[in-house]
Parts: sequence; structure tokens; C-alpha cells
Amino acid sequence: GAGVSQSPSNKVTEKGKDVELRCDPISGHTALYWYRQSLGQGLEFLIYFQGNSAPDKSGLPSDRFSAERTGGSVSTLTIQRTQQEDSAVYLCASSAARGQGEPPYTFGSGTRLTVV
Amino acid sequence: AQSVAQPEDQVNVAEGNPLTVKCTYSVSGNPYLFWYVQYPNRGLQFLLKYITGDNLVKGSYGFEAEFNKSQTSFHLKKPSALVSDSALYFCAVRDILKGSYIPTFGRGTSLIVHP
Repeated sequence: GAGVSQSPSNKVTEKGKDVELRCDPISGHTALYWYRQSLGQGLEFLIYFQGNSAPDKSGLPSDRFSAERTGGSVSTLTIQRTQQEDSAVYLCASSAARGQGEPPYTFGSGTRLTVV
Repeated sequence: AQSVAQPEDQVNVAEGNPLTVKCTYSVSGNPYLFWYVQYPNRGLQFLLKYITGDNLVKGSYGFEAEFNKSQTSFHLKKPSALVSDSALYFCAVRDILKGSYIPTFGRGTSLIVHP
């Protein structure tokens, strides 16, 4: 597609349930990033993919969080046993290969996760 | 480590007046600097970037930013604000020397332009 697509746009889940958030990057973009945006906290880096591998997953807040990327395209962020503090907007961004200069990051509209 | 600070949570300006949204950064080497804007319930949209060259960078929607190495700043500016500029603005930095591929974003500054 023309932009970065994230689904669902909104998700309400009960505490303790698992959730999966999906990101479909721009076709051909090799780099993919997940960020979390909490009220008043700015953007918190979670994980970075280059192709299918994740050279930097240092931002994942706990082992309840995991992510994968298949076929160098779609990525799924999974949160197990959700807690109320996981409530936030989860943003995905993609960018082209760095051999093309310093390309800007294109963001999706995000998934608003509410844990009740 | 790379970091970026946006010292103002909110900036208020009257329509037609010039606006400035402040950003300072810290890196070990040379910075790549970015500004993004976020409208309600939307993702972040790219405004402009500084990589190298002219310290004054022009971007989308009439915005510009000035890179100041001695003050480690990259303030966003616009000569004449519009009500439609009201949004959340994020500054971001990536440290070239550090070799990091991860941009660090500031906490964001809410710009409110009054009619």
C-alpha cells in the first residue's frame, strides 16, 4: 500500500489476556520500528527490524513483549498477559535502506491499546 | 548515548505570529535531526531533517529549522502561524558516530495556535 498500515486501530482487552498488533510497512522498506506512545511520555522505542532479523530489541519492557517479522514485510507485536500499564498507542514505522541516504521514517496511525 | 530534549510541553501563539518550538540534543558524534508532527488520532508525519550542509533546513507546510552545533539545538520555526498548525510536534535525533539505527524522540511539544 501507499503507507504504513496498522491493525487493529483500537483494541480493548481484559487484564491477563494476550494481544497481537499488526504492522504492514511500505513495500520495499527494509527497516521497521515499533514505538510506544504513552500520555506525557513521548515515544518509547521497543524494537527494530532490518529485514526479518531484530538487531535491537533493547526497548522491549519485559519478556511479556515479543515481535516477529516475516518475509521482510509484515510484523506482529505480541503482548502476553496484558497489564494495565501496557495501555498506550503502539506505533509502527518503516524506512527504506540506508544506502539511499537518510530516509525519513514513515509512521502508521497506530493501535490504541486499552487494558481494563 | 543519544538524547533529545523538548523543554516546553506546550507552546501558545496567536495566528499570524511567528512560532518557535525548541529542541536540544546530545550525541557523541554528528547528529541526524528530524522534526515530525502528529495530528489527533494520526501517526507522525515527517516535516524536515538535517543531515549535513546548510544549517537552515526548509520543510513541509512552511516550517523550517535551524541547526546550531555550538548550542546543540535544532529549533523548529515558522514565520506566520496558522490555526491548522495546532498539533503535537516531535524532535528526533540519531547519532551517526554511534552507528545506531534507532532514532530517539523527544517527549513532544503541543502547539496551540489561537485565532
